[in-house]
Amino acid sequence: QKEVEQDPGPLSVPEGAIVSLNCTYSNSAFQYFMWYRQYSRKGPELLMYTYSSGNKEDGRFTAQVDKSSKYISLFIRDSQPSDSATYLCAMTPSGGYNKLIFGAGTRLAVHP
Amino acid sequence: EPEVTQTPSHQVTQMGQEVILRCVPISNHLYFYWYRQILGQKVEFLVSFYNNEISEKSEIFDDQFSVERPDGSNFTLKIRSTKLEDSAMYFCASSVRLAGDPEYFGPGTRLLVL
Repeated sequence: QKEVEQDPGPLSVPEGAIVSLNCTYSNSAFQYFMWYRQYSRKGPELLMYTYSSGNKEDGRFTAQVDKSSKYISLFIRDSQPSDSATYLCAMTPSGGYNKLIFGAGTRLAVHP
Repeated sequence: EPEVTQTPSHQVTQMGQEVILRCVPISNHLYFYWYRQILGQKVEFLVSFYNNEISEKSEIFDDQFSVERPDGSNFTLKIRSTKLEDSAMYFCASSVRLAGDPEYFGPGTRLLVL
């Protein structure tokens, strides 16, 4: 079983839609969870960073962590064509030196 | 806003040649990392570095790889004798503190080994 599973998509939605992106993981030691956005041939850009279960909201983005189910989500409200990118989940255990384990990334296309 | 910078943006080299990839982490960050992403694949951890020492490295980071912080601002990744399979995007990242602080990534260096 892979440590982090993420549906690669592609996911195509109309502008204004609510987008739900998900990752599951197998290692219960993971405590910190991040979502990065990556445009084609660019570096990952940090979007959201969470610790522990629950929700965190930042503008149009909401990150959700359910440790009991080993499941994390990123919701994008009122999606825009500029949100078209690959979204990477990443996680790391507490302690240690922040060795991030990434999902494969979900490619999102928001069409006008 | 402070950001991680990397040079060069692209590097083409012949198999067996040495390459040095350079990074300038965010100035108040203390932890530095290299990751790589082979085309179409996941971002993979290579090495983490703190206080002028490697703190963790992956199986990928074999004897052909080395890292160095030659001065107060630069952080470098050296590949001694490049192989075709080293062709990838290499990302530098930095964070303020230990586990739990998010990592900020640079734009990457695209390395092509011919």
